[in-house]
Amino acid sequence: EDKVVQSPLSLVVHEGDTVTLNCSYEVTNFRSLLWYKQEKKAPTFLFMLTSSGIEKKSGRLSSILDKKELSSILNITATQTGDSAIYLCAVAPNTGNQFYFGTGTSLTVIP
Amino acid sequence: DGGITQSPKYLFRKEGQNVTLSCEQNLNHDAMYWYRQDPGQGLRLIYYSQIVNDFQKGDIAEGYSVSREKKESFPLTVTSAQKNPTAFYLCASKVPGNNEQFFGPGTRLTVL
Repeated sequence: EDKVVQSPLSLVVHEGDTVTLNCSYEVTNFRSLLWYKQEKKAPTFLFMLTSSGIEKKSGRLSSILDKKELSSILNITATQTGDSAIYLCAVAPNTGNQFYFGTGTSLTVIP
Repeated sequence: DGGITQSPKYLFRKEGQNVTLSCEQNLNHDAMYWYRQDPGQGLRLIYYSQIVNDFQKGDIAEGYSVSREKKESFPLTVTSAQKNPTAFYLCASKVPGNNEQFFGPGTRLTVL
């Protein structure tokens, strides 16, 4: 059965801390892994990873895929209260159009 | 502006009633999706459609129905057979060959 697992489920940190969110997957015919940020409503796209070992970076956020370990991490440095959100990981297989989502990690950044 | 719209934003339903959630997109995307999100959980796929007049069940299709008569529209009906319908419902779409999904703002359904 295809599945995506995220850890931790929730995390509370202080502003300025660095956090690492984890996503592991067991998906047949992997094509890509995506990270989304969800604040109140619609998830917004952060990164799409298809190749192992290549870091994607956007400001204080970065992500990398390890196809050997079937996992990805999302790093956020110098966290701010605006980073508080649920971070979702999704995997797209090669066949079909279905996506598999993890349970998400709820991040709370306190001042 | 291109995007995905969902309506209503909030919906209250009495037990035993069917309700229909609207999802419209003007992005010219072929594939559309309905997800359910419960507190502390990720997105669970209800139904998806790859082209007009075609749709497939997701992991939790029981108690739900959909139609895809137009490319732009993918309404979801929550039937009285759905035992625990209170949740946040998200609609999404994507173009073929592109792995990025675009999400609507969601509808929060509460059963009274």
